[in-house]
Amino acid sequence: GENVEQHPSTLSVQEGDSAVIKCTYSDSASNYFPWYKQELGKGPQLIIDIRSNVGEKKDQRIAVTLNKTAKHFSLHITETQPEDSAVYFCAAPSSNTGKLIFGQGTTLQVKP
Amino acid sequence: DSGVTQTPKHLITATGQRVTLRCSPRSGDLSVYWYQQSLDQGLQFLIQYYNGEERAKGNILERFSAQQFPDLHSELNLSSLELGDSALYFCASSLNAIAHEQFFGPGTRLTVL
Repeated sequence: GENVEQHPSTLSVQEGDSAVIKCTYSDSASNYFPWYKQELGKGPQLIIDIRSNVGEKKDQRIAVTLNKTAKHFSLHITETQPEDSAVYFCAAPSSNTGKLIFGQGTTLQVKP
Repeated sequence: DSGVTQTPKHLITATGQRVTLRCSPRSGDLSVYWYQQSLDQGLQFLIQYYNGEERAKGNILERFSAQQFPDLHSELNLSSLELGDSALYFCASSLNAIAHEQFFGPGTRLTVL
């Protein structure tokens, strides 16, 4: 069935370092891959997404890369700051519906 | 602020009771999604409505039901509540039925005692 695997489940970095979170998906028809950031007590916030016709997308300190052949995509955060500390979720759509299948989440801690 | 609103923010109730959660989508969005977030299950899709009609269904329990009204707001009804229904319930909205950009509301925290 449809599945999205996310790793690692927790990640601790020093302020200024880079952080990378990886996801793999099972549905080869998936063509849209969003990343959400969830802070404590808040709803998930869409921070970046990528469609299958591009391999990389960048927005300031965050970037997403996509490898459709291998069916995996990654979130890269450079020059991390304490306010980047949150839970990050990747997701992929179910075929022909708007339903998103979410990864299990990564708790990122950025130490000052 | 995503533009999606949810009420109430918190809900505490007893087992066996019934509650209604409400969601208003972003202006212009026709599709509404409901997700459940519990500690051990992550974000699980429950149901999607598009322009008043049910569009997709996830692992939603028979005790749960939803609808989308003509003004596009949606309600999620949870009945015969059990302790295990305690979770965060999120609503998200998107422009159309398969627009993948979904914007989430702040959620309703349900506690069943």
